[in-house]
Amino acid sequence: KAGVTQTPRYLIKTRGQQVTLSCSPISGHRSVSWYQQTPGQGLQFLFEYFSETQRNKGNFPGRFSGRQFSNSRSEMNVSTLELGDSALYLCASSGQGLYSPLHFGNGTRLTVT
Amino acid sequence: AQSVAQPEDQVNVAEGNPLTVKCTYSVSGNPYLFWYVQYPNRGLQFLLKYITGDNLVKGSYGFEAEFNKSQTSFHLKKPSALVSDSALYFCAVRDLLFSGGYNKLIFGAGTRLAVHP
Repeated sequence: KAGVTQTPRYLIKTRGQQVTLSCSPISGHRSVSWYQQTPGQGLQFLFEYFSETQRNKGNFPGRFSGRQFSNSRSEMNVSTLELGDSALYLCASSGQGLYSPLHFGNGTRLTVT
Repeated sequence: AQSVAQPEDQVNVAEGNPLTVKCTYSVSGNPYLFWYVQYPNRGLQFLLKYITGDNLVKGSYGFEAEFNKSQTSFHLKKPSALVSDSALYFCAVRDLLFSGGYNKLIFGAGTRLAVHP
């Protein structure tokens, strides 16, 4: 089975621009979660989607948004980029079952200049 | 609030020796605990989980973890370390206070494991 695929792997953007990151979950997984990883804050939960509905949202400003499509693929968008948005953005999918583990992609490294 | 602590930023161990990476947790109710490993420029790989049952959980790549309810700990162990085990290790707990879903994990800060030849 193919793993979680995130595109692109690397992005360089300028302050004020917006960016869209893409995630394809493991086949059959309907839940997709997004995390931000930075050296200072560590791993922080952004949001989770299940069957095209946002189930959970972390403590991030409204500039961070996401969506999920009917094929479970997900995108996240960051508008009006700030320098502090530079991070590794990780997508994870999980299967059915309350205790199914998260399976992570290799991430998108976003650099804001 | 639910939290996870990894008290060591780095653990150094010689190849062939046993290794332990420490994790303590604070949760309301039953803890659902996970260990993940991250190699450079990669995402997190799932190693093992504790939901209920036996206190010794076996996972991938020869790793195991010992759940201790009285000490609120979930330490990761391996009997014989390999140089290839060198990576960043994260302990995580499922945030059960977060309603509406089950996939919000609270991660520790991570412990860098360095295995020397």
